[in-house]
Amino acid sequence: NAGVTQTPKFRVLKTGQSMTLLCAQDMNHEYMYWYRQDPGMGLRLIHYSVGEGTTAKGEVPDGYNVSRLKKQNFLLGLESAAPSQTSVYFCASSQTVYTEAFFGQGTRLTVV
Amino acid sequence: AQRVTQPEKLLSVFKGAPVELKCNYSYSGSPELFWYVQYSRQRLQLLLRHISRESIKGFTADLNKGETSFHLKKPFAQEEDSAMYYCAPVDTGRRALTFGSGTRLQVQP
Repeated sequence: NAGVTQTPKFRVLKTGQSMTLLCAQDMNHEYMYWYRQDPGMGLRLIHYSVGEGTTAKGEVPDGYNVSRLKKQNFLLGLESAAPSQTSVYFCASSQTVYTEAFFGQGTRLTVV
Repeated sequence: AQRVTQPEKLLSVFKGAPVELKCNYSYSGSPELFWYVQYSRQRLQLLLRHISRESIKGFTADLNKGETSFHLKKPFAQEEDSAMYYCAPVDTGRRALTFGSGTRLQVQP
């Protein structure tokens, strides 16, 4: 049982490059989230989705876009990477906002 | 604005000592709150939720609406409790799970 899988696990980008992070869940969850984790700041919500075809902005959405074309996948895109986007990115899913969230293993992104 | 505060970045205790990890919130109404934990090299995982009022791994947390707090407590810390702990309220406005800045607990032998 895979749970929540993030791809890739590590990535180094040059400033201005673009990339997409993939999150896949096999639990048929409605809710999916993208967070970034920075030292001293905990996890901050970037974007989230409450169901297939829906997305919404979180606390720190600037510079990121997302899509939820299929219920099991939630994609996070960086159109033009900046050094300030160097972080560890976590994806999570849950059936409702009040039930347990399951997390991926994280993606460590470095923008140089 | 809705906010959650974990005032301690690091809490260091000796094995067998009591532990209290603080969490204060400024959410209106009756918030739904969770504690999540991240052990070294493991995924973030649920520790407990206030609506179930259960004790997990000896930890408990009581929602104090008067003080707007949801502190995590354990009477006797163990070395395996060393981890990063996050207080996580549901942002009812956004309908999304949000997190505090976290407290690192170090339990020394």
